[in-house]
Amino acid sequence: NAGVTQTPKFRVLKTGQSMTLLCAQDMNHEYMYWYRQDPGMGLRLIHYSVGEGTTAKGEVPDGYNVSRLKKQNFLLGLESAAPSQTSVYFCASSYRQSGLTEAFFGQGTRLTVV
Amino acid sequence: RKEVEQDPGPFNVPEGATVAFNCTYSNSASQSFFWYRQDCRKEPKLLMSVYSSGNEDGRFTAQLNRASQYISLLIRDSKLSDSATYLCVVNSGNTPLVFGKGTRLSVIA
Repeated sequence: NAGVTQTPKFRVLKTGQSMTLLCAQDMNHEYMYWYRQDPGMGLRLIHYSVGEGTTAKGEVPDGYNVSRLKKQNFLLGLESAAPSQTSVYFCASSYRQSGLTEAFFGQGTRLTVV
Repeated sequence: RKEVEQDPGPFNVPEGATVAFNCTYSNSASQSFFWYRQDCRKEPKLLMSVYSSGNEDGRFTAQLNRASQYISLLIRDSKLSDSATYLCVVNSGNTPLVFGKGTRLSVIA
């Protein structure tokens, strides 16, 4: 019962470094999402995808890029990390985007940029 | 106005108490509503969907008031294990879910 798996779970980056967060789901979901969660800010949508090969911007896309080359994977890239990107990142997936459909989340990636 | 607003709390209640949370949403076109639960340093998980007529799942009751654009969650007979943050979530058709900032509940022995 893997569900949604995120790697890595923890990471410390220096300012200006780059990294990629990987999200993998085994539920054959069309829709995938990247959120960040900061204290007092709640979950904010970074980017999302409505299917293989598609991506779209969310509420806070600046400084991030994404790719969905395979249906089961959704990658989040930070090209040049900044301290403001210190956060907990959650990936989620869902079967559809409307109606009473459940979103399943990964366990999160705790990223610190120093 | 934020799309989904919740009282952040914390709500500190004794075991056995009844506690209620409200959440307001700004988009009158919103179609689907949910309550998610998030434990400390864990991922959010669906607690229950909110149906138009209201629905109950054990000690939890969810209600929707479309006219006033709010949803509520009532927890009866609170348990220590209910301590968590409760996220109000709204879906406006074919768009990603929008999350409230959450309401923190602490149930005290």
